Amino acid sequence: DQQVKQNSPSLSVQEGRISILNCDYTNSMFDYFLWYKKYPAEGPTFLISISSIKDKNEDGRFTVFLNKSAKHLSLHIVPSQPGDSAVYFCAASYQTGANNLFFGTGTRLTVIP
Amino acid sequence: EAQVTQNPRYLITVTGKKLTVTCSQNMNHEYMSWYRQDPGLGLRQIYYSMNVEVTDKGDVPEGYKVSRKEKRNFPLILESPSPNQTSLYFCASSRQGPRGGYTFGSGTRLTVV
Repeated sequence: DQQVKQNSPSLSVQEGRISILNCDYTNSMFDYFLWYKKYPAEGPTFLISISSIKDKNEDGRFTVFLNKSAKHLSLHIVPSQPGDSAVYFCAASYQTGANNLFFGTGTRLTVIP
Repeated sequence: EAQVTQNPRYLITVTGKKLTVTCSQNMNHEYMSWYRQDPGLGLRQIYYSMNVEVTDKGDVPEGYKVSRKEKRNFPLILESPSPNQTSLYFCASSRQGPRGGYTFGSGTRLTVV
């Protein structure tokens, strides 16, 4: 059973606007979350992470928000650029299983110029 | 350039014919891992290694073997491939383990007929 879910397979956004990618998880033991970006024919690239002791982490145009009570996290990209067009994966881990990441199925973001 | 190199990029093989997918990293990372990506399932961990001669199973280890004789190399071995091992495979490495963020290889697309 998928413990990390990305329910939107795709998202289209105009250049300059905000992109919001969502991720839900079911395992309350998860305490660390990461986002990866993947271009075609390449491996995923680490983007940003957040610990469960925080509710927000920001890195340039990318901000991740964590709502522990809702078991939900989101990645905000502001402003969106055409080069942001890629598949985005969220991933989660828990302390006792820190040798693994549990990945969602990905959301394909298209930024329209 | 810091990278994880996988070979081959594409492979078509027949059921039962042993094959090896190589993985090498030049970042002196202790932690390495193999994932497979399948539609609707995200990335799932096959095996991981925390250091030379230290390997352990991930979530989907059946039908796979690994070895870690040198820090830089972490080959994935399919002793008797079957069609259900048709997938996109990624090797990854990290200095601090998966929570520190992986560097992924570009992937190997394997088809078993």
